[in-house]
Amino acid sequence: GAVVSQHPSWVICKSGTSVKIECRSLDFQATTMFWYRQFPKQSLMLMATSNEGSKATYEQGVEKDKFLINHASLTLSTLTVTSAHPEDSSFYICSASDQGTYEQYFGPGTRLTVT
Amino acid sequence: AQSVAQPEDQVNVAEGNPLTVKCTYSVSGNPYLFWYVQYPNRGLQFLLKYITGDNLVKGSYGFEAEFNKSQTSFHLKKPSALVSDSALYFCAVRGPSASNAGNMLTFGGGTRLMVKP
Repeated sequence: GAVVSQHPSWVICKSGTSVKIECRSLDFQATTMFWYRQFPKQSLMLMATSNEGSKATYEQGVEKDKFLINHASLTLSTLTVTSAHPEDSSFYICSASDQGTYEQYFGPGTRLTVT
Repeated sequence: AQSVAQPEDQVNVAEGNPLTVKCTYSVSGNPYLFWYVQYPNRGLQFLLKYITGDNLVKGSYGFEAEFNKSQTSFHLKKPSALVSDSALYFCAVRGPSASNAGNMLTFGGGTRLMVKP
């Protein structure tokens, strides 16, 4: 089946630094990838939609200058959390939409802890 | 805009008993409905979906869900629960959002299923 990977699976960084999270579709092409954020014991909240070769579009209330998204190829999207603060600590999950079926497949998530 | 409600934060069931995790939705047009399961510190795993056709949808790991248009519900069910089914379950509906024309998923708040031996 379709597999989506995320790297790293967990990361600890200091406040003020930037962190990049990669999302890859391993065996299919994804014109669209989605980035979600999940707080403990809460549901997934869509942050932005990433379309290959174009700028990402962000949900209301999500700072595009803080959460930089790049979708350079049909198999890779990256989320960079810039100038991270402790309140950015969260579980970040990506999903990739299969170009043929439009089904969404989810990555395993990245746990970000900002100290 | 579409929405999904999962009225129960937690469902407790004894192993071997049937389980139901409730989900209701609101969407304009025909609903595309999904169930996902999440284990601790893991991403979401797809269980099943309803697009069209039979109201009873069968999915992975013995789960099934019944689409009820009049009640706008899509409850997840399993005839005999296993301890290993203990996890967080999310219902979702596909529809448009501010950032995407039509392929985003809106999730319910999640229901924690606890199956006790």
